[in-house]
Amino acid sequence: NAGVTQTPKFQVLKTGQSMTLQCAQDMNHEYMSWYRQDPGMGLRLIHYSVGAGITDQGEVPNGYNVSRSTTEDFPLRLLSAAPSQTSVYFCASSYQGLSNYEQYFGPGTRLTVT
Amino acid sequence: DAKTTQPNSMESNEEEPVHLPCNHSTISGTDYIHWYRQLPSQGPEYVIHGLTSNVNNRMASLAIAEDRKSSTLILHRATLRDAAVYYCILRDEVDNDMRFGAGTRLTVKP
Repeated sequence: NAGVTQTPKFQVLKTGQSMTLQCAQDMNHEYMSWYRQDPGMGLRLIHYSVGAGITDQGEVPNGYNVSRSTTEDFPLRLLSAAPSQTSVYFCASSYQGLSNYEQYFGPGTRLTVT
Repeated sequence: DAKTTQPNSMESNEEEPVHLPCNHSTISGTDYIHWYRQLPSQGPEYVIHGLTSNVNNRMASLAIAEDRKSSTLILHRATLRDAAVYYCILRDEVDNDMRFGAGTRLTVKP
């Protein structure tokens, strides 16, 4: 199993540009989520999905969109990039979104918005 | 959400045991205690979790106080590869948001 994969690893955007961060998992996990991590801080939840066709907002959803058309993929879209979105983005998945299951994290995408 | 308190940093010598403490005095009866770690430039990695009883796995042990208001992650023999930020997180029964605090930065000295 490849686990959780994320592309790209690095990205530089100009203010106002849009882009999609890709996340895929091959473990048939129902639950997937996106976090961002700013320098020296812990992770904060952006959006999550408990299954195909179902998404919901986390702690910091503004400026981001998600969709879940398949179990495997959970892309994160930046609608109009802003410097405040400069961060490292992590995708995660777990068997279910319940507290008794571990989450598996991808390697991250480092995004810089100039 | 119930919160956790961890020391900002700890140091250990290689091949010695490490005890990483976590206080969670407002824990509810259905909160699971999870530990993750994050190595430099990597995504978080699951370490261990438990509810009431002590837990062991190949990576570590989790000791949970009888009143559940604190817990300790035990690395039995620290290696240089264990240098990371360790996060103690409480998750309730239907919790879709893992709240990461600042964690404890563990330094392992050779």
